Amino acid sequence: DAGITQSPRYKITETGRQVTLMCHQTWSHSYMFWYRQDLGHGLRLIYYSAAADITDKGEVPDGYVVSRSKTENFPLTLESATRSQTSVYFCASSDRRPPTDEQFFGPGTRLTVL
Amino acid sequence: GESVGLHLPTLSVQEGDNSIINCAYSNSASDYFIWYKQESGKGPQFIIDIRSNMDKRQGQRVTVLLNKTVKHLSLQIAATQPGDSAVYFCAETSTGNQFYFGTGTSLTVIP
Repeated sequence: DAGITQSPRYKITETGRQVTLMCHQTWSHSYMFWYRQDLGHGLRLIYYSAAADITDKGEVPDGYVVSRSKTENFPLTLESATRSQTSVYFCASSDRRPPTDEQFFGPGTRLTVL
Repeated sequence: GESVGLHLPTLSVQEGDNSIINCAYSNSASDYFIWYKQESGKGPQFIIDIRSNMDKRQGQRVTVLLNKTVKHLSLQIAATQPGDSAVYFCAETSTGNQFYFGTGTSLTVIP
């Protein structure tokens, strides 16, 4: 049972480059989320998706692009990476079935933009 | 935007003692709250949740208390163990789609 996986786990890139972070879940959860985690800010929602081909902005979407052509995948793209996007990125999924709205998190991707 | 804050950034407790981690939130419309535990190098892990129609909810060794009047949430861990050492986050939502997380409290259990 793989659950939710992220790749790569670590990435170093340069300012201006395009970077794609991958997220894959095996539970067929309808909802998927991308967060970034920075010291002093906790986790902040970047984008989320309620189903395939349905995405919506979160709290900090600028500089990021997402797509969801398949239920199990939710890639996050930094079109032109900036140093301020150095962070740990977490993907999460949820089936949002009562009584809980628990989100299941992946192991994270540590991204460094030089 | 909404703000979710924690009263203490770090907490150290003796093994076997009870731990209390606090969280304040500002959005009176928030109706669902979750506590997560995050161990070093891992993603957050669900501990317990509570809806706004409840004041208290208990799990295994954990209890969450919700005071809507003062917009305050707390997590109580009974008989704290070394394996409880981690960062604890509260998260709240009024929509179910967008959760707002606190900055986290680092719990250290002293053997």
